[in-house]
Amino acid sequence: EVQLLQSGGGSAQPGGSLRLSCATSGFTFSSYAMSWVRQAPGKGLQWVSTISGSGTNTYYADSVRGRFTVSTDKSKTTLYLQMNSLSAEDTAIYYCAKDKEGWTAIAFDSWGLGTLVTVSS
Amino acid sequence: DIQMTQFPSSLSSSVGDTVTISCQASQDIDNYLNWYQQKPGKAPKLLIYEASNLEPGVPSRFSASGSGTHFSFTINRLQPEDFATYYCQQFHSLPRTFGGGTKVEIK
Repeated sequence: EVQLLQSGGGSAQPGGSLRLSCATSGFTFSSYAMSWVRQAPGKGLQWVSTISGSGTNTYYADSVRGRFTVSTDKSKTTLYLQMNSLSAEDTAIYYCAKDKEGWTAIAFDSWGLGTLVTVSS
Repeated sequence: DIQMTQFPSSLSSSVGDTVTISCQASQDIDNYLNWYQQKPGKAPKLLIYEASNLEPGVPSRFSASGSGTHFSFTINRLQPEDFATYYCQQFHSLPRTFGGGTKVEIK
């Protein structure tokens, strides 16, 4: 059974940093792309970032490029999102998601429970 | 960026009804479209991928079709557990983009 266990998140001040983690199990981690998708309070879904199963390719939404960094630790089968220079517009529930494919974001077929990130002074 | 427009944004229906949701892409995305269901306080769930392929374990009352710029998603014989918000998502181009969602409510 695929499991995605999220941790991290919480509150940060504008300009601050947070790191999200997503510990996975139940599938061959290096065979599937992993992504972050966020949802602002009461709003729709927004794709944030994807990393290929090999870890060699990363993709970002324009709104986070240069501020957020996606990475993986294959030995821990864990996905990370380092978020720097946070602003109020980054306030959202962040979901990690496993993809059906290995090299980029195609379809998110398993999701974590989500973790709330609140950016406020 | 490819804009995904869903309509209606919300609808009210009764158990047993048939519901259809539309999703329009701002440019041709072939059949590179997925549909998700999200219930309040829960993570989204993939229901259909590549425009018409039902995800394993998803009831057959869910179906979808379309290609190019116009897509539709149908729920036959609406069940109480189907009341949720539904999103389309394109994977033709980066950035991946979602429709604004359609909330299916109980009449």
